[in-house]
Amino acid sequence: DIQMTQSPSTLSASVGDRVTITCRASQSIRSWLAWFQQKPGKAPKLLIYKASTLQSGVSSRFSGSGSGTEFTLTISSLQPDDFATYYCQQYNTYWTFGQGTKVEIK
Amino acid sequence: QVQLVQSGGEVRKPGDSVKVSCKSSGYTFTSFGIFWARQAPGQGLEWMGWINAYQGNTDYAQKIQGRVTMATDTSTSTAHMELRSLTSDDTAVYYCARVFRGVVDYWGQGTLVTVSS
Repeated sequence: DIQMTQSPSTLSASVGDRVTITCRASQSIRSWLAWFQQKPGKAPKLLIYKASTLQSGVSSRFSGSGSGTEFTLTISSLQPDDFATYYCQQYNTYWTFGQGTKVEIK
Repeated sequence: QVQLVQSGGEVRKPGDSVKVSCKSSGYTFTSFGIFWARQAPGQGLEWMGWINAYQGNTDYAQKIQGRVTMATDTSTSTAHMELRSLTSDDTAVYYCARVFRGVVDYWGQGTLVTVSS
């Protein structure tokens, strides 16, 4: 099974900060990686797929990069609505989620 | 607009079974798959399986293989997920979502399944 490891687990940041979350795969997943945002009591929301393709309707302050085993999600200027938990997910071989990164207010 | 609407919360006893439904609208049901995941209280997301809504073929996560069955009813654009031999470890919010070429895009609102004696 492919394991996905995110870092950090928790991130404290302020509005306007540039934020980067890292996701590492246990083996190459080429570019078959998605990023989701989840708020308490809500379903996950797709932000990015194929490592760097922005889902329709998602703000351009979100961007993704990487391929193979190392990936990043960047929020260029953190907004109040962005405080949430973020998950990476590989879909190279079935699906596996990372453990999540909680972005909280500093 | 694309919508997936799940059935309501359930309470079961250990050893029971539960069936969660997921009704799709706003797109051609048989052109996509249905993906199922769950989230235990305070925990992360766990993939459970998926079903090709057109052909009906399935893949299940090894952890629950043998206890889960996924099916679709194309006449009502509804997917069903049944989980058997429930334990307290199966207490979670269960989600369905639409999937195409591996990309999981639209999600249902979630169904809380509580297993308690």
